[in-house]
Amino acid sequence: ILNVEQSPQSLHVQEGDSTNFTCSFPSSNFYALHWYRWETAKSPEALFVMTLNGDEKKKGRISATLNTKEGYSYLYIKGSQPEDSATYLCASLEDALNFGKGTSLLVTP
Amino acid sequence: DAGITQSPRYKITETGRQVTLMCHQTWSHSYMFWYRQDLGHGLRLIYYSAAADITDKGEVPDGYVVSRSKTENFPLTLESATRSQTSVYFCASSEVGGRETYGYTFGSGTRLTVV
Repeated sequence: ILNVEQSPQSLHVQEGDSTNFTCSFPSSNFYALHWYRWETAKSPEALFVMTLNGDEKKKGRISATLNTKEGYSYLYIKGSQPEDSATYLCASLEDALNFGKGTSLLVTP
Repeated sequence: DAGITQSPRYKITETGRQVTLMCHQTWSHSYMFWYRQDLGHGLRLIYYSAAADITDKGEVPDGYVVSRSKTENFPLTLESATRSQTSVYFCASSEVGGRETYGYTFGSGTRLTVV
């Protein structure tokens, strides 16, 4: 089982702030790195699936980068909005996804 | 046409009882997964299946049984429920197991309480 670590565990920012989270994973035998957004009382929803070193993905104000050689990925949110409040999960793929514990983001007006 | 549905949404059962959580997907995805969510642990893989009649253990399989006689269904059975199995259970599916550019699609979850 690969050990996926996320930091920080939680984050509280003001509306309009930009923020970023870190996901670290063992870089050996890398297949793919996934990011999910998980709102309270809902199910996790896929944001990005990244497979290549140097990958950069973007969806609106959210973007992610991947470094497979050193085993980390960053998720960035530009100009955070209250609706961005959620837990953000990253997961590394072995035979199935192995999830980190997530970063809980709270954006207040 | 919810895509992937779990039932029941909530279940309370007694210690020692057998209980089955259902998962049904309408996309004919090859891969299906069961995760449990516990405070302090995040999502942990219980079992997964790459196709009908093919299942494999995940990180925390003890006390659980799965079957996959049809591609669209992946039930999870707790043979003799224990309080430590109180959790929220999520089923997920993926077209090709995530080794391409496809994410997992999750069901709405089943909140199970064992008393």
